Amino acid sequence: GENVEQHPSTLSVQEGDSAVIKCTYSDSASNYFPWYKQELGKRPQLIIDIRSNVGEKKDQRIAVTLNKTAKHFSLHITETQPEDSAVYFCAASGAGGSYIPTFGRGTSLIVHP
Amino acid sequence: DSGVTQTPKHLITATGQRVTLRCSPRSGDLSVYWYQQSLDQGLQFLIQYYNGEERAKGNILERFSAQQFPDLHSELNLSSLELGDSALYFCASSARQGALLGDTEAFFGQGTRLTVV
Repeated sequence: GENVEQHPSTLSVQEGDSAVIKCTYSDSASNYFPWYKQELGKRPQLIIDIRSNVGEKKDQRIAVTLNKTAKHFSLHITETQPEDSAVYFCAASGAGGSYIPTFGRGTSLIVHP
Repeated sequence: DSGVTQTPKHLITATGQRVTLRCSPRSGDLSVYWYQQSLDQGLQFLIQYYNGEERAKGNILERFSAQQFPDLHSELNLSSLELGDSALYFCASSARQGALLGDTEAFFGQGTRLTVV
């Protein structure tokens, strides 16, 4: 089955800096890659997603890139703010027509004011 | 508020017991997903139901079972509970079967925190 690796597990940055979280997936047939943000004690919420026919997608301070050849996708947050502090999860799905999504283990992002 | 309601929010029970977690999806959503989130384990997909039928299974233990009722609410039954079953259990819903393929966004409930003592 699909395996998603996510790095780093913890990321600490100063307010205003950029943050990058990287994920790799194992099944080249996966075609959908969402990113979720989970604040402490709250539910995961979709913040951005990308399909395999797109190399990059941007939404204000957040962008996601996908390298299908390398089976690698990344989340980029620019001009980080303290409210960006949360756990971020990447996921991959769609391999073989399966609807089972596989999540990475999460990255705890801490933005210091 | 995502529109997905999970009850109870917290549950403390003893080993060997059985519990039922309930999820009411967003109005109109046909698909329900259950996830387990343990410390440092991320989100583990358990099972998906679509319009009353089981559609996908993840790493769900045989001691666990789920169902989706005609009114589309879903229940996750956990039996013969062990200490290691302590976790946060999330339910998510979406309008269509392939929500996490990007057809429509999956909305998560607030979760049920299960503590087995």
